[in-house]
Amino acid sequence: AQSVTQPDIHITVSEGASLELRCNYSYGATPYLFWYVQSPGQGLQLLLKYFSGDTLVQGIKGFEAEFKRSQSSFNLRKPSVHWSDAAEYFCAVGLNNNDMRFGAGTRLTVKP
Amino acid sequence: DVKVTQSSRYLVKRTGEKVFLECVQDMDHENMFWYRQDPGLGLRLIYFSYDVKMKEKGDIPEGYSVSREKKERFSLILESASTNQTSMYLCASSSFRFESFFGQGTRLTVV
Repeated sequence: AQSVTQPDIHITVSEGASLELRCNYSYGATPYLFWYVQSPGQGLQLLLKYFSGDTLVQGIKGFEAEFKRSQSSFNLRKPSVHWSDAAEYFCAVGLNNNDMRFGAGTRLTVKP
Repeated sequence: DVKVTQSSRYLVKRTGEKVFLECVQDMDHENMFWYRQDPGLGLRLIYFSYDVKMKEKGDIPEGYSVSREKKERFSLILESASTNQTSMYLCASSSFRFESFFGQGTRLTVV
């Protein structure tokens, strides 16, 4: 079945440590790829997006993501996490019919 | 900046009531979406609209309907609210290449 998978439901990292959130998709063609962040009680904010070209994309708040076609993955990374990064992160794919599908989300906790 | 505004942040309704959730966007986007967000399930698409008076069912349309009479406004209607429709509802709009902009969400509780 076509899907967007975020294997990690919850991740805890120490402040200042590096972060990688995983995302895999199973759609036939390469879709448009996105990462969103949701702070508690808020809507979703776009962190970054991949449409084509350079497979390493830079986003806001120091985040980056790498598209790997062979692995159907689009993992999100940050070299040094800040306490304010604690939130829920969603990977999403844009499909051909003006539709967007989301993963189940990964909740990030940051330890002092 | 794109602004997507949902009419209510919090709503409490009784079982069987007809419920309207309103969403307005100010960037002339063609596409508008209603999602439902539940813990562990992420965002699930209820309906989307790619033009005025046009609508398409998403993954979980049962128990919901939508209305888009004007380009900037997309309404979600719960014809007869039930407790299993207690959830966070998110509206989004998009234009170019599916980049979606979200409202703040409406947390609906049906009692």
